[in-house]
Amino acid sequence: NAGVTQTPKFQVLKTGQSMTLQCAQDMNHNSMYWYRQDPGMGLRLIYYSASEGTTDKGEVPNGYNVSRLNKREFSLRLESAAPSQTSVYFCASSLKLGTANQPQHFGDGTRLSIL
Amino acid sequence: ILNVEQSPQSLHVQEGDSTNFTCSFPSSNFYALHWYRWETAKSPEALFVMTLNGDEKKKGRISATLNTKEGYSYLYIKGSQPEDSATYLCADSRDGSARQLTFGSGTQLTVLP
Repeated sequence: NAGVTQTPKFQVLKTGQSMTLQCAQDMNHNSMYWYRQDPGMGLRLIYYSASEGTTDKGEVPNGYNVSRLNKREFSLRLESAAPSQTSVYFCASSLKLGTANQPQHFGDGTRLSIL
Repeated sequence: ILNVEQSPQSLHVQEGDSTNFTCSFPSSNFYALHWYRWETAKSPEALFVMTLNGDEKKKGRISATLNTKEGYSYLYIKGSQPEDSATYLCADSRDGSARQLTFGSGTQLTVLP
């Protein structure tokens, strides 16, 4: 059982380039999330999708767009990468938003460097 | 407090020692408190999700307590082992829809053999 799969694992971009981070889950979860992890800070929510067809901004959405392609897949796009977006990105999923006792399941992360 | 705060930021203990650390969170509009274990080069893994004041949960040598009235949770590890070395994250959910988790910056535990 793969759980949450993120691709790529590593990527180096130049300032201004665009790229899409892919995430897929095989647990039939309804809700999916994108976080970034920076040194000394907790995971910060970029965007989330409560269910297929819906997306909402999290704490730090500027410079990003997302697409909930279907129930399994939730992608994160950087249209014009900036050095401030150098970070480790985590995708997560949970069974259903709004259910307090549901943990989130995380992918292995994508380490992104913007030069 | 407005944010989720964890203390200490890091600690080193000897194998066999018991240890505990703290997660503090705003007590107003509380909905749920999550604990995650995050090993280096791996993804965060859920340990506990707690919702009720006075909740106490246990998984093997690891247990957690919750006080929603004063806004804190303790994570305890009994008889620490080197494989317990990881960063332990807590996160709270404050709105009724549990849309967002607000994470603390974690406690990094190193268990020395």
